[in-house]
Amino acid sequence: EIVLTQSPGTLSLSPGEGATLSCRASQNVRSSLLAWYQQKPGQAPRLLIHGASSRATGVPDRFRGSGSGTDFTLIITRLEPEDFAVYYCQDYSAAPRKTFGQGTRLEIK
Amino acid sequence: EVQLVESGGGLVKPGRSLRLSCTASGFSFGENNMTWFRQAPGKGLEWVGFIRTKASGGAAEIAVSVKGRFSISRDDSRGIAYLQMNSLKTEDTAVYYCNTGQVGTTYYFDYWGQGTLVSVSS
Repeated sequence: EIVLTQSPGTLSLSPGEGATLSCRASQNVRSSLLAWYQQKPGQAPRLLIHGASSRATGVPDRFRGSGSGTDFTLIITRLEPEDFAVYYCQDYSAAPRKTFGQGTRLEIK
Repeated sequence: EVQLVESGGGLVKPGRSLRLSCTASGFSFGENNMTWFRQAPGKGLEWVGFIRTKASGGAAEIAVSVKGRFSISRDDSRGIAYLQMNSLKTEDTAVYYCNTGQVGTTYYFDYWGQGTLVSVSS
């Protein structure tokens, strides 16, 4: 089973700044089947990125995913107030078995 | 429109059982695997298990952390997936989410319910 480790645990930034979130896998993620999710309090997770770099429908282009193998990154350029949330990476290379990282909390500085 | 609605959560004492339901609409239920996740208060998302379509054998797979206590079933005629939880422990306290969709190398369709809270406490 692939273990995903996200860093940092918490990121404190101001609106308008850029954010870089990291996700490291314990083994190669087959075919870069790595997704990123956003979760706000009291809500279900929302898919942002799949296939490491493809934005899901309706996701603004300020969200950019990259990476392959064991190292993946989510970059959010020009943070908007609604972007402050918890972000999770997910390995779905063994779908329907899917595992999440522990999350990165993006908070307003 | 795809909709998943979880129900059956509530307060239960340790050692008791609870069955959660996920009622689906807006898609061909029988053609989709159904997955359960959970999220303990203030914690991350944990995969609980899934059940395959009947066409793929209909077998369920359960996470090691709850194996032997939890099981998943489905009623395709009613469009409902179930999570049966036995011998509940305080650490099973969480919001339980139902999830479905289709994934491939170039696509990812993903749908979630709103979650149902299970609280295990004496």
